[in-house]
Amino acid sequence: EVQLVESGGGVVQPGGSLRLSCAASGFTFDDYAMHWVRQAPGKGLEWVSLIVGDGGSTYYADSVKGRFTISRDNSKNSLYLQMNSLRTDDTALYFCAKVTAYNYHAMDVWGQGTTVTVSS
Amino acid sequence: QSALTQPASVSGSPGQSITISCTGTSSDIGSYSVVSWYQQHPGKAPKLMIYEDTKRPSGVSDRFSGSKSGNTASLTISGLQTEDEADYYCCSYAGSWVFGGGTKLTVL
Repeated sequence: EVQLVESGGGVVQPGGSLRLSCAASGFTFDDYAMHWVRQAPGKGLEWVSLIVGDGGSTYYADSVKGRFTISRDNSKNSLYLQMNSLRTDDTALYFCAKVTAYNYHAMDVWGQGTTVTVSS
Repeated sequence: QSALTQPASVSGSPGQSITISCTGTSSDIGSYSVVSWYQQHPGKAPKLMIYEDTKRPSGVSDRFSGSKSGNTASLTISGLQTEDEADYYCCSYAGSWVFGGGTKLTVL
């Protein structure tokens, strides 16, 4: 069964840091690019970041560029999101998602998400 | 990158058909054939329903179909069922990925 499980969320003060993880199973992890997508409470989906299969290229939304870093460890079938200089508007449920076999543009498997709360 | 524009809500009765629009610009929807649609039930992860404007993943009911004209993509659900009640999001690419604001579908 193809599965993604996020972890690492929690409560952090503004300006703090947090590292999210996403454990993948059931597919050849390094064959696929991976996205992070977030959803603020009661709000819609917002794309955050993408990393290609070999980790050689990364992409970020303007809202997180320079503060967040996406990475992966293919030997551990794991995806990460290092979040620094956190702001209250980063409060959200963070999902990791696998791209389809065809291109980077659609996300066919999603985790259940991990909650990040930025509050003083 | 601005969010794609979707109606906040749509509704329909069981058995009817509804269409959800997703309006972008010539820089996103109008430039790439990569619109995807996601269904999200409360407290659940999104589920891919349509990719590359019109294609349906294996396992998704053929009651769901996608189309596109110019800068507007559409998701049509025919033969509405109560379990279709959910939030629906479109997504496109324009140098980065952008989602629509979401549409709440109510099945009356």
